[in-house]
Amino acid sequence: DTGVSQNPRHKITKRGQNVTFRCDPISEHNRLYWYRQTLGQGPEFLTYFQNEAQLEKSRLLSDRFSAERPKGSFSTLEIQRTEQGDSAMYLCASSLTLGNGELFFGEGSRLTVL
Amino acid sequence: AQSVTQLGSHVSVSEGALVLLRCNYSSSVPPYLFWYVQYPNQGLQLLLKYTSAATLVKGINGFEAEFKKSETSFHLTKPSAHMSDAAEYFCGFSSGNTPLVFGKGTRLSVIA
Repeated sequence: DTGVSQNPRHKITKRGQNVTFRCDPISEHNRLYWYRQTLGQGPEFLTYFQNEAQLEKSRLLSDRFSAERPKGSFSTLEIQRTEQGDSAMYLCASSLTLGNGELFFGEGSRLTVL
Repeated sequence: AQSVTQLGSHVSVSEGALVLLRCNYSSSVPPYLFWYVQYPNQGLQLLLKYTSAATLVKGINGFEAEFKKSETSFHLTKPSAHMSDAAEYFCGFSSGNTPLVFGKGTRLSVIA
């Protein structure tokens, strides 16, 4: 059984460039979540999907951020025109719909914006 | 609004001493509560969870937590700290059908 997979694990980019992260959830999980974590802070919720439908977006998700899950399997998180404040660890998690809220996390994708 | 508060951003204990990490929640609905551990440059791993069954929950690596509704608390304990327990610990809350909300975390240091 493979867990949640994220790539790339590390991304260094220059301010103003676009970046995209991919997340492959546990195969039988129909919910997929994106969180952002900055140094010394807990994970902050960004958005989540049930199958291909994006059900909720946080106010943290500015219009430069877009997430998709086109076929209800893997998901991408794109950040356009990156800013230094976007530097963070982006965590993906998945779960069952009728679970108890337990999330299974990937290793994360660390973004550094120079 | 639902929220989680972790008291103490950094806790330091001696090897073999009791570990106590504090978590309080605020919610108008029955909570599902979680403790996750994070090692450097890794994702979060589930330690234990409370889902309205037994109030004393046992998890992995010798950790346990007790749900106390009257105190709105879910503190994490371990009788004897090991060096390998040094990590960041996060308390999380869900209503069961909502995304997990996390506290700011507590960094645990274990001194030899």
